[in-house]
Amino acid sequence: QSALTQPPSASGSPGQSVTVSCTGTSSDVGGYNCVSWYQHPPGKAPKLLIYEVSKRPSGVPDRFSGSKSGNTASLTVSGLQAEDEADYYCSSCAGSNNLVFGGGTKLTVL
Amino acid sequence: QVQLVQSGAEVKTPGASVKVSCKASGYTFTKYYMHWMRQAPGQGLEWMGRINPNSGDTNYAQNFQGRVAMTRDASVSTAYMELSGLRSDDTAVYYCARPLTTGVWEFDYWGQGTLVTVPS
Repeated sequence: QSALTQPPSASGSPGQSVTVSCTGTSSDVGGYNCVSWYQHPPGKAPKLLIYEVSKRPSGVPDRFSGSKSGNTASLTVSGLQAEDEADYYCSSCAGSNNLVFGGGTKLTVL
Repeated sequence: QVQLVQSGAEVKTPGASVKVSCKASGYTFTKYYMHWMRQAPGQGLEWMGRINPNSGDTNYAQNFQGRVAMTRDASVSTAYMELSGLRSDDTAVYYCARPLTTGVWEFDYWGQGTLVTVPS
């Protein structure tokens, strides 16, 4: 059982927006601004999409955005494209020496 | 360019140990922690721990305390993760990953993954 809770699946049509939630506790998501989001295509290494709740690494389209409210972080994918179909994982630091992940959300582009 | 290249797939018997390597190139190895994660079939990512390649200091996730050992050989820019007392539920793809230049807990470079299979 993963430390952070994500919905197992999400879906949307091309061009639509979809939001994936990531719920933790005050000991992880709610207590620190170190939430990250990764896109994980099958058979490949994860790709960092969002870090420190809402920052995007260079090269990540601005269609991907992150936010946090209390113990829940969210990833929003706007203008859905077929290539966005993948598994998405959130992570959060949990103190100075621990990192926890969510169970992952399979995003389907209808 | 930064690259993390891991060792190949392994099949181990229950109770055995496995040692996975992660060779770094394209940056100064000793300047960034190296982290290890795994993903079991049908499961999410799981953080196992990290090593400071400069000092050798380690932090391990509680789930792996006593069973995992992370080491490094800075002369060949390689980090190692050894997991002992293997069980069938240790079957997973194991990844090494390097944090962002400005970060601690966010990873922009990952190894290709190493599949470790422990038949039941």
